[in-house]
Amino acid sequence: EIVMTQSPATLSVSPGERATLSCRASQSVGSKLAWYQQKPGQAPRLLIYDTSTRATGVPARFSGSGSGTEFTLTIDSLQSEDFALYYCQHYNTWPPRAFGQGTNLEI
Amino acid sequence: VQLVESGGGSVQPGRSLRLSCAASGFIFDDYAMHWVRQAPGKGLEWVSSITWNSGTIAYADSVKGRFTVSRDNAKNALYLQMNSLRAEDTAFYFCAKESTGISWYFDLWGRGTRVTVSS
Repeated sequence: EIVMTQSPATLSVSPGERATLSCRASQSVGSKLAWYQQKPGQAPRLLIYDTSTRATGVPARFSGSGSGTEFTLTIDSLQSEDFALYYCQHYNTWPPRAFGQGTNLEI
Repeated sequence: VQLVESGGGSVQPGRSLRLSCAASGFIFDDYAMHWVRQAPGKGLEWVSSITWNSGTIAYADSVKGRFTVSRDNAKNALYLQMNSLRAEDTAFYFCAKESTGISWYFDLWGRGTRVTVSS
């Protein structure tokens, strides 16, 4: 079973700065990696799929990169609404059961 | 396009609950569906998956033998029958729609329904 590990657990960044979130898979998942954003009291929202493709309506300041076992979500010029929890998920196998433990992006 | 969960509540350990997820705005029977839960202050935990025709079903080890997922494509509905509930099943339960094709990420989530298991 593939295990997803996110780092750091908490990331403190100032508005306007860049945030870099990491996700590591215990074995290769190719490019089958998604990122989700979750705000308090809300459902997760798809941000990025296939490692680097932004979902509909996601601002261009969100970008994803990586392949195999190492992946990165970068958020440029942080806005106040970007402070949230972020989860990665691989879907290299079905069912797509493996989420990372999350990164809390805080001000 | 939305998913709306219902059926959550507070129950005693050992009791049962049935969650429902009503889908609208898309062709429900074109997609696999999933249940994901989130315990208080914790991360996302995959619970169960069901293919479009119910031909393939999967469960997390933590719920296998106690939970049963099903769907009624005529009613655009997904269900999760939860039996023998335990305190550790306390969580928000989300239903999620799988994307199409060979990319199995979740492109639509419901707002969730809260389940509390406590004596």
